[in-house]
Amino acid sequence: RKEVEQDPGPFNVPEGATVAFNCTYSNSASQSFFWYRQDCRKEPKLLMSVYSSGNEDGRFTAQLNRASQYISLLIRDSKLSDSATYLCAVKHPNRDDKIIFGKGTRLHILP
Amino acid sequence: GAVVSQHPSRVICKSGTSVKIECRSLDFQATTMFWYRQFPKQSLMLMATSNEGSKATYEQGVEKDKFLINHASLTLSTLTVTSAHPEDSSFYICSAGRLAGVQEQYFGPGTRLTVT
Repeated sequence: RKEVEQDPGPFNVPEGATVAFNCTYSNSASQSFFWYRQDCRKEPKLLMSVYSSGNEDGRFTAQLNRASQYISLLIRDSKLSDSATYLCAVKHPNRDDKIIFGKGTRLHILP
Repeated sequence: GAVVSQHPSRVICKSGTSVKIECRSLDFQATTMFWYRQFPKQSLMLMATSNEGSKATYEQGVEKDKFLINHASLTLSTLTVTSAHPEDSSFYICSAGRLAGVQEQYFGPGTRLTVT
């Protein structure tokens, strides 16, 4: 089983719709989780950290389910500028703060 | 937020030459930096962990003699691709996190290497 797994997509979604991404991780001892956004030919940018209680930042909501070992990202009222690849990332416990990335899910917002 | 820079942003070199890429943390000190490689339409692949003042830790399958990493200070790590070949052409990205306490990693803008 891969350490971090995501649906590769692409997700083609009309503007204004709600989009949900899921990501599963294999190491139950993992403590820190993140969502990054990567635009074409650019570096990943931190979108948000994921906290145990769940957290929200504007149109974005992240949640963590430790029992099932998955994290999710919800984007409400999607905009054309949300089109990008969304990367799930998990900090590996006891490995020098190493962060393991999923392969990413491509999102296309359609006008 | 934290700022990480990379230089150069783009480089084209001939097969057999060596290329050095610099990664700097601009507003914080980083004892650990990470080097990734990303081929087109592929995921980020961690190559190595750069440790200030000590040897880098390489991921399985990454040749340490080909990808030389030096982390001489708390704000600078360098990756040298030695005897580059066309198959080394890729997007190389570094990341860094602040000293103890903060979890997130911040990425540099990346270096696009093309070996002809």
